[in-house]
Amino acid sequence: GNSVTQMEGPVTLSEEAFLTINCTYTATGYPSLFWYVQYPGEGLQLLLKATKADDKGSNKGFEATYRKETTSFHLEKGSVQVSDSAVYFCALHSGGGADGLTFGKGTHLIIQP
Amino acid sequence: ETGVTQSPTHLIKTRGQQVTLRCSSQSGHNTVSWYQQALGQGPQFIFQYYREEENGRGNFPPRFSGLQFPNYSSELNVNALELDDSALYLCASSLVEGANEQYFGPGTRLTVT
Repeated sequence: GNSVTQMEGPVTLSEEAFLTINCTYTATGYPSLFWYVQYPGEGLQLLLKATKADDKGSNKGFEATYRKETTSFHLEKGSVQVSDSAVYFCALHSGGGADGLTFGKGTHLIIQP
Repeated sequence: ETGVTQSPTHLIKTRGQQVTLRCSSQSGHNTVSWYQQALGQGPQFIFQYYREEENGRGNFPPRFSGLQFPNYSSELNVNALELDDSALYLCASSLVEGANEQYFGPGTRLTVT
């Protein structure tokens, strides 16, 4: 079956530091890959996505590249801000029928001023 | 454009009771999915509705059921509540059946005592 593995948190960084959150996946076929962000007390917001190998998704300074050879979709940002503090979820959709999204367990990111 | 809304925000029920949670899809979206997010975990897919019929289901027992209405709003019903049903329940809508880009509501926090 499908699965997503993320690096465990919390990840604590200083403002303006470089961010990497690792994500690897197992899936049948050719899944689409996503990063969602969840701020305290809120639902999930789609941050970025990639639908095929070598695609790069980007939004709000965050980037992730779909690497089929390593089955990875690592999230990166060059300079984080305090406002980036949240829980980040990597997810996949297998594209078959009416399957839902498969999520990782989430990575709690804490940015200190 | 109206986003996904859910009601109520919070709910407290007693073990053995039944609960109904409600969701209004984003304008123009005809597919709705429900997810259960336990504390500290990623969301787990419960089921998906398209054209008022369930067309995909995750690993949840039959006491989790749903409805989708002609205006694309939706309900999640849970019978015979158990303590482990305590979670954040998220509704997500998408434009077409099986579409992988889903937009989430803020969730309903259910506590079972």
